[in-house]
Amino acid sequence: AQTVTQSQPEMSVQEAETVTLSCTYDTSESDYYLFWYKQPPSRQMILVIRQEAYKQQNATENRFSVNFQKAAKSFSLKISDSQLGDAAMYFCAYGGSQGNLIFGKGTKLSVKP
Amino acid sequence: GAVVSQHPSWVICKSGTSVKIECRSLDFQATTMFWYRQFPKQSLMLMATSNEGSKATYEQGVEKDKFLINHASLTLSTLTVTSAHPEDSSFYICSPTQGQGFNEQFFGPGTRLTVL
Repeated sequence: AQTVTQSQPEMSVQEAETVTLSCTYDTSESDYYLFWYKQPPSRQMILVIRQEAYKQQNATENRFSVNFQKAAKSFSLKISDSQLGDAAMYFCAYGGSQGNLIFGKGTKLSVKP
Repeated sequence: GAVVSQHPSWVICKSGTSVKIECRSLDFQATTMFWYRQFPKQSLMLMATSNEGSKATYEQGVEKDKFLINHASLTLSTLTVTSAHPEDSSFYICSPTQGQGFNEQFFGPGTRLTVL
């Protein structure tokens, strides 16, 4: 069975600084997707970034980028120039052959002004 | 992005009653619907998967007779919590998908259920 591990329950970053959220996963599948979702207090799940496992190039979306290390099964999220609106729960998720997502326990990110 | 609605957004009910949660994909046809549950300060856990016109498949530990899922059309799925108890209090999120792969997967805004 696939698992997703987020080892940082909480993280804090100063506004305008950079922060990296960690995620590791375990799978025996060769074809899969990895995601980072943001869940603000409204609890609406918002897709931050998506990475296809077969792509070696790390995905980027504006201030958000990932460091995808397939052999190490690591998928970290880097947020640059942090903004107050980035404060939220961040979930790392795995999508494989079953079609559903498997989520990590989440990291609560606080942004200090 | 696609528009997904859930109704109600928040419901409070008495123990022993049943509650129906609706999930609609407003601008696309959802061939598959995933229902997740999120307890306070926890992650999302898959409850069940349903395909339009077929019976739902439930994850281990989820009672199929308690959580009734109907996916009668490509734009509407319902989750009915029967004989609700306080331990069923949670945040329920639907995730309709279109097509294959992960290019078309969305989340509803969720329904907060509180059972007194």
